[in-house]
Amino acid sequence: ILNVEQSPQSLHVQEGDSTNFTCSFPSSNFYALHWYRWETAKSPEALFVMTLNGDEKKKGRISATLNTKEGYSYLYIKGSQPEDSATYLCAFNTGTASKLTFGTGTRLQVTL
Amino acid sequence: EAQVTQNPRYLITVTGKKLTVTCSQNMNHEYMSWYRQDPGLGLRQIYYSMNVEVTDKGDVPEGYKVSRKEKRNFPLILESPSPNQTSLYFCASSFGYGTEAFFGQGTRLTVV
Repeated sequence: ILNVEQSPQSLHVQEGDSTNFTCSFPSSNFYALHWYRWETAKSPEALFVMTLNGDEKKKGRISATLNTKEGYSYLYIKGSQPEDSATYLCAFNTGTASKLTFGTGTRLQVTL
Repeated sequence: EAQVTQNPRYLITVTGKKLTVTCSQNMNHEYMSWYRQDPGLGLRQIYYSMNVEVTDKGDVPEGYKVSRKEKRNFPLILESPSPNQTSLYFCASSFGYGTEAFFGQGTRLTVV
């Protein structure tokens, strides 16, 4: 089983703070790296899927970068809002097996 | 509306009583998969399917069966459920391997 590691495990920030999380994955046989947002009592929803080294993606106040050579991705949230409170999951596809392997997530709580 | 529909949402059953959790998608997606979510372990892939009649094991397939007779449906079958299969289950579909996954609403299964 491939290891996808996320840090920190949880994070508590104030409204307006900017924050970032890390996802580490095996750098060999890379195919794609996904980020999902999972709110309590809902289903995970895709934020980004990245495939190229150096990729940067942005959606509103959330952005992500990808380094496939060293096997990490960062997710950034600028000016956190209470509605950003959720668990952020990263997941990894390899080029040799048709699986999607998830990390355990970073749980973000944003308070006023 | 594009969606992945799972049924039932909640199920309490007894050990050994066969059950099926249905999953249907209306997006003409080729790739479908099943995950289970357990505290501290993240989403773990049970089975996946690249297309009709093409299925393969994920990371935790023991005790589960699947079938893909039609493109839109991907049921998860527990022939003889045991208490260690108590979990939150998600079905997901995507256009192809390595593209963003769309998740169903989840099925919370309790086996007593």
